[in-house]
Amino acid sequence: GQQVMQIPQYQHVQEGEDFTTYCNSSTTLSNIQWYKQRPGGHPVFLIQLVKSGEVKKQKRLTFQFGEAKKNSSLHITATQTTDVGTYFCARGTGGFKTIFGAGTRLFVKA
Amino acid sequence: EADIYQTPRYLVIGTGKKITLECSQTMGHDKMYWYQQDPGMELHLIHYSYGVNSTEKGDLSSESTVSRIRTEHFPLTLESARPSHTSQYLCASSESSSTDTQYFGPGTRLTVL
Repeated sequence: GQQVMQIPQYQHVQEGEDFTTYCNSSTTLSNIQWYKQRPGGHPVFLIQLVKSGEVKKQKRLTFQFGEAKKNSSLHITATQTTDVGTYFCARGTGGFKTIFGAGTRLFVKA
Repeated sequence: EADIYQTPRYLVIGTGKKITLECSQTMGHDKMYWYQQDPGMELHLIHYSYGVNSTEKGDLSSESTVSRIRTEHFPLTLESARPSHTSQYLCASSESSSTDTQYFGPGTRLTVL
């Protein structure tokens, strides 16, 4: 239905390695949002993608929205210890509820 | 950072007590939400509101109740706390438009003994 699947569930990387998390839907998404939650903190909005094939960058973070608007990815280049946390994707439902994925927990070893 | 506040930040309470978790936002957002989240786990929507006097149950069944008498205030109440209610409770709000961006409060970490 409207669920979004996130993979992987968790990932351990060495500092300096790249990291990617994926978000998939069986139905077309009107938009996709990404949030980051630091350990012990609350989710913080990172970005929203709306257009097919859209690519946005925030420093070392690259966000992509698939051409068919059914998947999205978040890629972090050269991870740092400050990147530790859980990354959630979320689908908008046209102004009503936002449906969150289960999240990908990123662990970065210094 | 958005202006959304939650109190208390931490609460340890005994079984059977009645508790109210407070959530307030100063952005004039019509839509507000309560999520329950265990450490490192996914977010579960337990209640939401589209405006004053509007409240709906979320996807996860919860014994809590909410009210929305004022736009800025969305408190959550547990009539009789139990150890199974131990969790983090996150409040969020969003604008009443096509955007779905949610702004989260810092959360209340509840422990029921």
